Amino acid sequence: GAVVSQHPSWVICKSGTSVKIECRSLDFQATTMFWYRQFPKQSLMLMATSNEGSKATYEQGVEKDKFLINHASLTLSTLTVTSAHPEDSSFYICSASPASNTGELFFGEGSRLTVL
Amino acid sequence: QKEVEQDPGPLSVPEGAIVSLNCTYSNSAFQYFMWYRQYSRKGPELLMYTYSSGNKEDGRFTAQVDKSSKYISLFIRDSQPSDSATYLCAFHTGGFKTIFGAGTRLFVKA
Repeated sequence: GAVVSQHPSWVICKSGTSVKIECRSLDFQATTMFWYRQFPKQSLMLMATSNEGSKATYEQGVEKDKFLINHASLTLSTLTVTSAHPEDSSFYICSASPASNTGELFFGEGSRLTVL
Repeated sequence: QKEVEQDPGPLSVPEGAIVSLNCTYSNSAFQYFMWYRQYSRKGPELLMYTYSSGNKEDGRFTAQVDKSSKYISLFIRDSQPSDSATYLCAFHTGGFKTIFGAGTRLFVKA
C-alpha cells in the first residue's frame, strides 16, 4: 500500500510555543490530505482537509488561527499548532489518498503532542 | 440516528477464535466500505476495502457488505494476540469525506 510519513512522532513543548507537524506522501501525489485529532480510546475527529495550493477547509469548531495548515506541494502538508496550551495535548494524525474520490486513505504514524 | 454505529467493545476472545466485528450505517450514498486496524499510539492501517455488496477475503480476514441491510462486517479467522487492536469501519460516498465508526477494541488472549 501507499506510504505516508508523519514527523515528529512525539513532541513535548512549553505552553505558548508553536509546534509544526509534517505529513508526507512518499510514493504518490496527494492533492488532498486530512488532519485528525484523536483522544484516548476515542475515534478519529476530522479537523481539516488540506488542499494543495489552496486554503484548508476546517471542520466546525476547529480554530483556523490555532491550527494552521499549509499544503505547499503534492507530497507535503504541515499542521502548526500555534500558541499551544495543555488542552491542545493530543494525538494528531494525517492521512492522504492516491485517488481523490474513493475514500481509500493511508495514514501517517501519528504525532503525540504534550504541552506542558 | 447516527450515520454510523459501531460497538466500541471491548471485545475479548481466546486465541484461535473467530472474531466478528460489525457496523451499521444509515446513509444510502455510501459507495465505498473500509476496515482499518489501529494499534495503540499508531496511525490506522487500511485492512480491507470494498465497493460492492458481498464478501471479500484476504488471508484470515473477510469483509462482508450488505447494502440492503446497511450492514458491514469484518471476520477474523484463527485470531492471534497480534490482532489485538482497535478496528474502525469507514465509509465514503465518493466525495471528499470519509466517515469513521467509533472503533471496536479487540483483545485476543493467548
